[in-house]
Amino acid sequence: EVQLVESGGGLVQPGGSRRLSCVVSGFSFTSYWISWVRQAPGKGLEWVANIKHDEFEKYYGDSVKGRFTISRDNAKNSVYLQMNSLRAEDTAVYYCVRDRDAYNYFDYWGQGTLVTVSS
Amino acid sequence: DIQMTQSPSTLSASVGDRVTITCRASQSISDWLAWYQQRPGQVPKLLIYKASSLESGVPSRFSGSGSGTEFTLTISSLQPDDFATYYCQQYKDYSRGTFGQGTKVETK
Repeated sequence: EVQLVESGGGLVQPGGSRRLSCVVSGFSFTSYWISWVRQAPGKGLEWVANIKHDEFEKYYGDSVKGRFTISRDNAKNSVYLQMNSLRAEDTAVYYCVRDRDAYNYFDYWGQGTLVTVSS
Repeated sequence: DIQMTQSPSTLSASVGDRVTITCRASQSISDWLAWYQQRPGQVPKLLIYKASSLESGVPSRFSGSGSGTEFTLTISSLQPDDFATYYCQQYKDYSRGTFGQGTKVETK
């Protein structure tokens, strides 16, 4: 069974940092791109970042570029999202998702972890 | 950047109705389009990819069509489980898979 399990969410002050983790199982992790997608409370979906299986390609959405860093550890079947200079508008549920094959659409989703940026 | 616009934002319908949701891209995306369903309190679920390919396990009452800049998601006969929010997503631009703003299907 394919599983993606996020952790690391919580309350953080504006300007602060947070690191999200995603542990995956049930598929060949080293064959897939992985993305982070977020959803602000009561709002729509926003793609945040993705990373290729070999880690040599990474892409970011405009709203997080320069502040967030995606990485992965293939030995631990894990993907990370380091979030710096957090703003109130970064408050959202962050989903770890699997990209289908070599395409940037998403066939498996984690349950999400909530990040709240507030003083 | 490619922008995705869905219409309507909200749709009121009854069980058994035929429902159509439209998604427009700001430039041609060929057929690089996916549709997702998100029930209240749940994680999004992939329904359709490559504009018209039905994801495994998705009921056949769901169908997708279109290419270029205009796409539709059709539910042939709305069921109680289908009251949800639907999102389109382009993936032509690999470095940024943009979503539409969503269409909420609610009970009339």
